[in-house]
Amino acid sequence: DGGITQSPKYLFRKEGQNVTLSCEQNLNHDAMYWYRQDPGQGLRLIYYSQIVNDFQKGDIAEGYSVSREKKESFPLTVTSAQKNPTAFYLCASSTPRASGNTIYFGEGSWLTVV
Amino acid sequence: AQTVTQSQPEMSVQEAETVTLSCTYDTSESDYYLFWYKQPPSRQMILVIRQEAYKQQNATENRFSVNFQKAAKSFSLKISDSQLGDAAMYFCAYRSARTTSGTYKYIFGTGTRLKVLA
Repeated sequence: DGGITQSPKYLFRKEGQNVTLSCEQNLNHDAMYWYRQDPGQGLRLIYYSQIVNDFQKGDIAEGYSVSREKKESFPLTVTSAQKNPTAFYLCASSTPRASGNTIYFGEGSWLTVV
Repeated sequence: AQTVTQSQPEMSVQEAETVTLSCTYDTSESDYYLFWYKQPPSRQMILVIRQEAYKQQNATENRFSVNFQKAAKSFSLKISDSQLGDAAMYFCAYRSARTTSGTYKYIFGTGTRLKVLA
């Protein structure tokens, strides 16, 4: 079945370490997104990408980096520069060509800094 | 910049009753989409309903319907015959017009936690 796969689901990181969250989609969607979810703050946009090798900063990009080397993949790296990285991270994708412009989500990844 | 506001952090409804969740948004665009998503304890985001701004008719999906007031920039969700399984966080979302990079931004509100009382 088509969908968005995020891994790992749970990740623990020591302070000062970079970690990478994986996001793969087989929906043939052009656009991909990364959101961060904290209690009481809803979903905040980190980065988004429309095409391979191109991406834009969202509202809270500081301390994060991404790449888009393949249409299907959009990994997110949480760097040591991110001051408060403990959160729930959601990857999403969409296409304006179908599905009523709906954005679809993966199951999310929990990152905890220890 | 567009913003989405959900002013009700938490709501409660008796099972089988009706509840309305509020959402307002701010935009200068004329072409956009609006959505309601449900997030149960599993944290999976589930599409509940969507509305195209150019359509005057309110969207309906079974027990879920919206009241879309374009001039007032209001997009409320009505849940009829509430069920225990409706208990979740509900997020209102706005899809912008195409950006200069050729993509669309989806902006979310802070959510409303709905409790269903048996």
